Amino acid sequence: EVQLVESGGVVVQPGGSLRLSCAASGFTFDDYAMHWVRQAPGKGLEWVSLISWDGGSTYYADSVKGRFTISRDNSKNSLYLQMNSLRAEDTALYYCARADAAYCGGDCYDYWGQGTLVTVSS
Amino acid sequence: EIVMTQSPATLSVSPGERATLSCRASQSVSSNLAWYQQKPGQAPRLLIYGASTRATGIPARFSGSGSGTEFTLTISSLQSEDFAVYYCQQYNNWPRMYTFGQGTKLEIK
Repeated sequence: EVQLVESGGVVVQPGGSLRLSCAASGFTFDDYAMHWVRQAPGKGLEWVSLISWDGGSTYYADSVKGRFTISRDNSKNSLYLQMNSLRAEDTALYYCARADAAYCGGDCYDYWGQGTLVTVSS
Repeated sequence: EIVMTQSPATLSVSPGERATLSCRASQSVSSNLAWYQQKPGQAPRLLIYGASTRATGIPARFSGSGSGTEFTLTISSLQSEDFAVYYCQQYNNWPRMYTFGQGTKLEIK
């Protein structure tokens, strides 16, 4: 069974840093690109970042470029999101999502975690 | 940036009836369009990709159509479990930037 389990979400002050993790199981992790998608409380979905299967290519939404860094450790079946210079508008539930090449060439998401909540507040 | 606009924001339909949800892109995304369903407290679920192909395990009552800038998700006979929020997502390959619509809440009439 495919499982994605996010962790690391906490309350952090504006300007602070945080690293989110996503533990993957039930599939061959390094066969898949992975994404982070976030959802502010009561709001819609916003794509955050993408990393290729081998970590060689990364992409970011303009709203987080230069502040967030996506990475992965295929030996640990884990995905990460390093978040720096956090702002109140980064407050959201952060999902990791698997991108299966069989769907949309790897650009849409067939499995999602349950999310981890990041709150940026003083 | 490609902006995705969904309409209506809220749609009230009775069980057993048909629901039609719309999604418009600010520029052509070809058929690079997916639909997701999200229920309260749950992660989204992929319904449709490539504008019209159902994902694995999705019932046949869900269908997608359109290309370019105009897309439609149709649910032919609403079941109680279909009342949820629906999002469209464009995934044009370059630049690598993915955007979602703001969502349509499908509620029981």
